[in-house]
Amino acid sequence: QVHLVESGGGVAQPGRSLRLSCAGSGFIFSIYGMHWVRQAPGKGLEWVAIISFDGSEKYYADSVKGRFIISRDNSKNTLYLQMNRLRAEDTAVYYCAKDLVRMGTVDYWGQGTLVTVSS
Amino acid sequence: DIQMTQSPSSLSASVGDSVTITCRASQGISNSLAWFQQKPGKAPKSLIYSASSLQSGVPSRFSGSGSGTDFSLTISGLQPEDFATYYCQQYNIYPFTFGPGTKVDIK
Repeated sequence: QVHLVESGGGVAQPGRSLRLSCAGSGFIFSIYGMHWVRQAPGKGLEWVAIISFDGSEKYYADSVKGRFIISRDNSKNTLYLQMNRLRAEDTAVYYCAKDLVRMGTVDYWGQGTLVTVSS
Repeated sequence: DIQMTQSPSSLSASVGDSVTITCRASQGISNSLAWFQQKPGKAPKSLIYSASSLQSGVPSRFSGSGSGTDFSLTISGLQPEDFATYYCQQYNIYPFTFGPGTKVDIK
C-alpha cells in the first residue's frame, strides 16, 4: 500500500532555512506528481507546491513563491521542500501528498511533520 | 487566485442523518474539484475527485456533484466515524486553493 513519511521538521529561527523530506513507498514514485500542503495550528489546509513526475514542472502558492523550492529524487523515491527565509507564519504541519495521476488532485497523504518558526 | 467558499462553516447532525455541504468557486473550474475529510490530529483523507468520483475505498454514502462554480458534498446516513471537518479544493488553476472547511459534529 502507499506509504508517505515526512521528516525534517523542527524549530527554526525567522530568516533561517529548513529542508523537509518525504519518502514514498508502495507505488511507482517516478510516474506521479507530488504535492506539499500545510496546516497552521488551528487553521485550515493550505496548498503549498506541486512538482511533476520528472521534476520539469513546479508551481507554488503565492505565500511561498521565491522562498520555497520543491524538488525530487526519483532514484531515492524522495520528495523535498527547501524552505528559505522562514517566517513565523510558516509555522505549520507540512504534509506531502501523492497526486492521483499527473498534476491534479491528491489521493494519498503522509502523516505530516511540524515546522515551528520562532526566535 | 481562485477563492473557495464553503457553507455552512459548521453543522450539527445525528447518526443516520443526511447532510449536504456546499462549495463555491470565485470563477469557473469545470469539474476540477476535490473533497477531503480531516479528523482532529490526523492527516486529511481524500474522498472525492473530479467533483463526483469516489476515491478508492470511500464508502458509497459519500457523493459529490456540481460543475463550474457550484459544488456539493452529501453524506447519506451519517456514521459515527463521519464526524470531522470537510474541505473542498480546486485544482483547475494554479495556485490550487482550499475552502475554509466545514465542521460536522454530533448533535
